[in-house]
Amino acid sequence: GENVEQHPSTLSVQEGDSAVIKCTYSDSASNYFPWYKQELGKGPQLIIDIRSNVGEKKDQRIAVTLNKTAKHFSLHITETQPEDSAVYFCAASRNTGFQKLVFGTGTRLLVSP
Amino acid sequence: DSGVTQTPKHLITATGQRVTLRCSPRSGDLSVYWYQQSLDQGLQFLIQYYNGEERAKGNILERFSAQQFPDLHSELNLSSLELGDSALYFCASSVGQLGATNEKLFFGSGTQLSVL
Repeated sequence: GENVEQHPSTLSVQEGDSAVIKCTYSDSASNYFPWYKQELGKGPQLIIDIRSNVGEKKDQRIAVTLNKTAKHFSLHITETQPEDSAVYFCAASRNTGFQKLVFGTGTRLLVSP
Repeated sequence: DSGVTQTPKHLITATGQRVTLRCSPRSGDLSVYWYQQSLDQGLQFLIQYYNGEERAKGNILERFSAQQFPDLHSELNLSSLELGDSALYFCASSVGQLGATNEKLFFGSGTQLSVL
């Protein structure tokens, strides 16, 4: 089955800096890669997702890149703000159902003012 | 707000007891998924229902069961509770049962279960 590794487990940056979180996956047939943000006391919130027919997707300060050959994908947050502080999860699955969605172990991002 | 509603937010109970967690999916979503989140296991898929029928099972214990009702809300029943069952339980919903193009999975805010 699919296995997703996520790094780093914690990331501290200064406000205004960029943050990059990386994930690798094992199943070469995986083609759906969402990223979730989980704030304290809340559920995971979908912030961006990418499917394997594209290599990059942007939404304002957030971007995700996908390298299918190397089987890794990354989340890039530019101009970080204190409200970006949260735990971020990557996930991967084949396009056969969300029940197959495998999550990474999470990255705790701390943005200091 | 994702539109997925879970109740209660917190639940404290004793070992051996039984509890029921409730979830209302987003309007129009037919699939409901249950996840368990613990510090050592991360987000683990438990079970999925689609339009009232069980569709997939993950790492769900036999002491746990779920159902989805005609109005599409779902309940997760946890019985003979053990200390190790303490965790955050999330419900998520999507429109269909398959991850078709442009489909997305939305999570509720979770139920924090503490077994003492």
